[in-house]
Amino acid sequence: DVKVTQSSRYLVKRTGEKVFLECVQDMDHENMFWYRQDPGLGLRLIYFSYDVKMKEKGDIPEGYSVSREKKERFSLILESASTNQTSMYLCASSSGTGEADEQYFGPGTRLTVT
Amino acid sequence: GQNIDQPTEMTATEGAIVQINCTYQTSGFNGLFWYQQHAGEAPTFLSYNVLDGLEEKGRFSSFLSRSKGYSYLLLKELQMKDSASYLCAVMDSNYQLIWGAGTKLIIKP
Repeated sequence: DVKVTQSSRYLVKRTGEKVFLECVQDMDHENMFWYRQDPGLGLRLIYFSYDVKMKEKGDIPEGYSVSREKKERFSLILESASTNQTSMYLCASSSGTGEADEQYFGPGTRLTVT
Repeated sequence: GQNIDQPTEMTATEGAIVQINCTYQTSGFNGLFWYQQHAGEAPTFLSYNVLDGLEEKGRFSSFLSRSKGYSYLLLKELQMKDSASYLCAVMDSNYQLIWGAGTKLIIKP
């Protein structure tokens, strides 16, 4: 079974802090994704990566950066946390084979910025 | 722009059948996915349709009409554990997933 793990289930940070969210997958997947999920808005793509050291902006990259130094690990960084970044953050991975390429999700990190 | 529409919330009775609709307008089409998400948990894959027609998988079926930009998820013999949100997502011409906001399904005894 594919397993995607995230470093924390719940996180509370103060405004202005630098925040690191870690995601690790164990199925040698090519693609990795970071989403945020807010009530009534669905999943919104922040960044994604198709290969090591490669990153692409999603729909809402402002205020975030990412790092993929190893294939299995994809990190999301909030350079200076703000209250409007309070959200559920979901990491996902997929094999990268094109069509029918389902995404496997981690359990999510609920981040609260005060 | 790209858009996925699905009802915000639906209520159904245990043992009954419910149909959750999804309409989409996207830049290209490379398939439609349905995911289930229980409260506080990660989404899990339910089904994938790329050709018109019905795909059946146990109690769950998914239908696609590409000409109408329309899909539905059909859940039969509803059980209390089916209470969850159901997310519709379309893979566009760039192989990016465009997500609907999800339909919260409430099952009553």
